[in-house]
Amino acid sequence: GDSVTQMEGPVTLSEEAFLTINCTYTATGYPSLFWYVQYPGEGLQLLLKATKADDKGSNKGFEATYRKETTSFHLEKGSVQVSDSAVYFCALSDRGGATNKLIFGTGTLLAVQP
Amino acid sequence: EAGVTQSPTHLIKTRGQQATLRCSPISGHTSVYWYQQALGLGLQFLLWYDEGEERNRGNFPPRFSGRQFPNYSSELNVNALELEDSALYLCASSQTGHYSNQPQHFGDGTRLSIL
Repeated sequence: GDSVTQMEGPVTLSEEAFLTINCTYTATGYPSLFWYVQYPGEGLQLLLKATKADDKGSNKGFEATYRKETTSFHLEKGSVQVSDSAVYFCALSDRGGATNKLIFGTGTLLAVQP
Repeated sequence: EAGVTQSPTHLIKTRGQQATLRCSPISGHTSVYWYQQALGLGLQFLLWYDEGEERNRGNFPPRFSGRQFPNYSSELNVNALELEDSALYLCASSQTGHYSNQPQHFGDGTRLSIL
């Protein structure tokens, strides 16, 4: 079945460092891909999305490109801030199917130190 | 615009009891989804409702059930509570669920604790 694999955390960075969180997926259809962020004690917030190959999603300085050839959707940010500390989830949705559920990776904890 | 709202924020129950969790979607959204976020198990899809009908169900026992009301709000019921039901239950909504890539927007969740 469809699945998402994320890099294990925690990822600890200093403020203004470059961030990459790897995400790869397995899907039989043509999924839409998402990154969600979860701050402590809160629900998930949609960070960015991409719906087809070569699409680039971006928001708040974060970017991710839908790479069909490598089945990847890595999250990047050029300069992280302490306020970016959170858990990041990569997810896919089979937009061609009838299930419409989101399948999540295990999440990656990011800790940014001042 | 108000986001997805869930109530209660916290719920404490004992084994064997029943729990009812509630969710109000974003205005204009007709699809509601429920997910369970349990420690060590990640985020698991539970149920999808659209236009008042259950459209899809995750790999959970029948004691997890729910419904969607005419105003598109939804209820999740968990019967015969077990210790492993302790988790954060997240509700999400989207404009429509059918063959769509509309993103799902989440509430802050209900923390269910079973003693």
